[in-house]
Amino acid sequence: GAGVSQSPSNKVTEKGKDVELRCDPISGHTALYWYRQSLGQGLEFLIYFQGNSAPDKSGLPSDRFSAERTGGSVSTLTIQRTQQEDSAVYLCASSPRQGGETQYFGPGTRLLVL
Amino acid sequence: GQQVMQIPQYQHVQEGEDFTTYCNSSTTLSNIQWYKQRPGGHPVFLIQLVKSGEVKKQKRLTFQFGEAKKNSSLHITATQTTDVGTYFCAAVGGSNYKLTFGKGTLLTVNP
Repeated sequence: GAGVSQSPSNKVTEKGKDVELRCDPISGHTALYWYRQSLGQGLEFLIYFQGNSAPDKSGLPSDRFSAERTGGSVSTLTIQRTQQEDSAVYLCASSPRQGGETQYFGPGTRLLVL
Repeated sequence: GQQVMQIPQYQHVQEGEDFTTYCNSSTTLSNIQWYKQRPGGHPVFLIQLVKSGEVKKQKRLTFQFGEAKKNSSLHITATQTTDVGTYFCAAVGGSNYKLTFGKGTLLTVNP
């Protein structure tokens, strides 16, 4: 079946602009994570959605970052007033029932802020 | 929240040499997962360990979960260039079942 998909695959934007990154998890998966990965670095946790529970937003680096998950499926990560330090790969992952299970990652969105 | 410490951060080996990465936690883990990320790719699940002292093998890869369920290791025998990548451990902590990743070990293999 289809895996996790993300769009766009690449995004180049100018400093100060807003961007929206989309994640389509595997159908039926209730847990969804967003991570940020800078070049050569580890996975930086951003936000975690689990079913109908309030999302864990503890990893969002600033109030310029927000995410929502509509209908328990598709998720959108929004970065407002982008800065050059926001340049990174943004990875989305989903898991079947709860967050502790195997995570299936999407291919990521490579964001470059000029 | 749950933290897992992973060492070493980098490891460079000659092809054919062995490689080990370690993951440690100060608290008892319910389970531990290992992922591999090839250069330019995304993390891919390798295995999950659940039982105390568990050992699992996948060809040249051997995964161990410590008796106290506070540490784990991944050992690769006779590395090949296809083993290049970053290896992450991940563990569950807290009441919301959030999976937390270690910082990863980047393995490079000299042919």
